[in-house]
Amino acid sequence: GAGVSQTPSNKVTEKGKYVELRCDPISGHTALYWYRQSLGQGPEFLIYFQGTGAADDSGLPNDRFFAVRPEGSVSTLKIQRTERGDSAVYLCASSLERNQPQHFGDGTRLSIL
Amino acid sequence: AQSVTQLDSQVPVFEEAPVELRCNYSSSVSVYLFWYVQYPNQGLQLLLKYLSGSTLVKGINGFEAEFNKSQTSFHLRKPSVHISDTAEYFCAVSGGGSEKLVFGKGTKLTVNP
Repeated sequence: GAGVSQTPSNKVTEKGKYVELRCDPISGHTALYWYRQSLGQGPEFLIYFQGTGAADDSGLPNDRFFAVRPEGSVSTLKIQRTERGDSAVYLCASSLERNQPQHFGDGTRLSIL
Repeated sequence: AQSVTQLDSQVPVFEEAPVELRCNYSSSVSVYLFWYVQYPNQGLQLLLKYLSGSTLVKGINGFEAEFNKSQTSFHLRKPSVHISDTAEYFCAVSGGGSEKLVFGKGTKLTVNP
């Protein structure tokens, strides 16, 4: 079956611009996660959705970052006033329900010039 | 707070040799432990998981890991590696009511002919 799908696969934009990154989880998965992976590092947690609600957003670095999941399926990570330090690979994962293994997409490589 | 330490950033081995990738974790609560593999320009693929029960866990591609609570370790092993095992390996922990995964910095395994 289809895995977690992330679009775009690559995004290059200028400092100060607004970006949206999309995640399509595995069908039927109720839990959805966003992580950020900087070069040479392991992924770092950003936010976790259970259904439509953000159950844990403790990893969002500041108020320029926001994520939504309005219908409990597709999620969008939104970054305002991008900075060069936001450059990273943004990974999305989903799991069938709480406490189940997370399945990852291939990520979106974001480059801020 | 939970943390994961992967003691080796790079491990070079020859084909058909055994390998051990080390992982130690820190947590004040019961944990779930995971190993993920990441091939270049791809997302993370689950190799194996420890949730409860037997401390020796077998995963895909011939890998196994042993949970050692007294040493707070979860080392990954394979008795005979292949060129195709060349990738980056991440150890991760979750638990204590938190759904997020906390990752180590990764170990880059290079298998040489």
